[in-house]
Amino acid sequence: GESVGLHLPTLSVQEGDNSIINCAYSNSASDYFIWYKQESGKGPQFIIDIRSNMDKRQGQRVTVLLNKTVKHLSLQIAATQPGDSAVYFCAEIINNAGNMLTFGGGTRLMVKP
Amino acid sequence: DAGVTQSPTHLIKTRGQQVTLRCSPKSGHDTVSWYQQALGQGPQFIFQYYEEEERQRGNFPDRFSGHQFPNYSSELNVNALLLGDSALYLCASSLVRARNYGYTFGSGTRLTVV
Repeated sequence: GESVGLHLPTLSVQEGDNSIINCAYSNSASDYFIWYKQESGKGPQFIIDIRSNMDKRQGQRVTVLLNKTVKHLSLQIAATQPGDSAVYFCAEIINNAGNMLTFGGGTRLMVKP
Repeated sequence: DAGVTQSPTHLIKTRGQQVTLRCSPKSGHDTVSWYQQALGQGPQFIFQYYEEEERQRGNFPDRFSGHQFPNYSSELNVNALLLGDSALYLCASSLVRARNYGYTFGSGTRLTVV
């Protein structure tokens, strides 16, 4: 079946730099997207979400961009900190298919001091 | 305000055995979903319970079953365990009427089948 996927499995950045984590999705009926952060030994933690009728949403140090034309989602983290080191997942909810989350495979973000 | 709590945190079972995992949702939430997360992969949806009934189910065999109680807590049961069932089992609670779904995840139960 269709699923959400990620371009890069591991991203290494210098502390203070900006990070960009990418995600591709294949179902054009997806109408809601969420980015999660998962630290070792913990469950996924909500970071930011965006609906399909938007193309950009900003939070504290994070921005999500949605390009529906190419079915691409990105998470931008400004001034990356060591505490941002984790695995990041994008997830989607498909319109009229219930409200279950479909996750991608994850990107590990490593922040170098 | 307690978030989602899961028990036990770790569990080791033998192939062929049965296991029961438990989840207490976040206060105010009425829906519980279960996910299986294999090592190095994203979580995969198992099923969702609302009003004590299974509302949605992912691509998992009937060996996986569940239950929701009147207090909204939930159990996940897996029968005839296989080595491939070794994974982190995550419970997520939400409020069915929440506009943004509001999923909150627990820290999971790490199941190892030997």
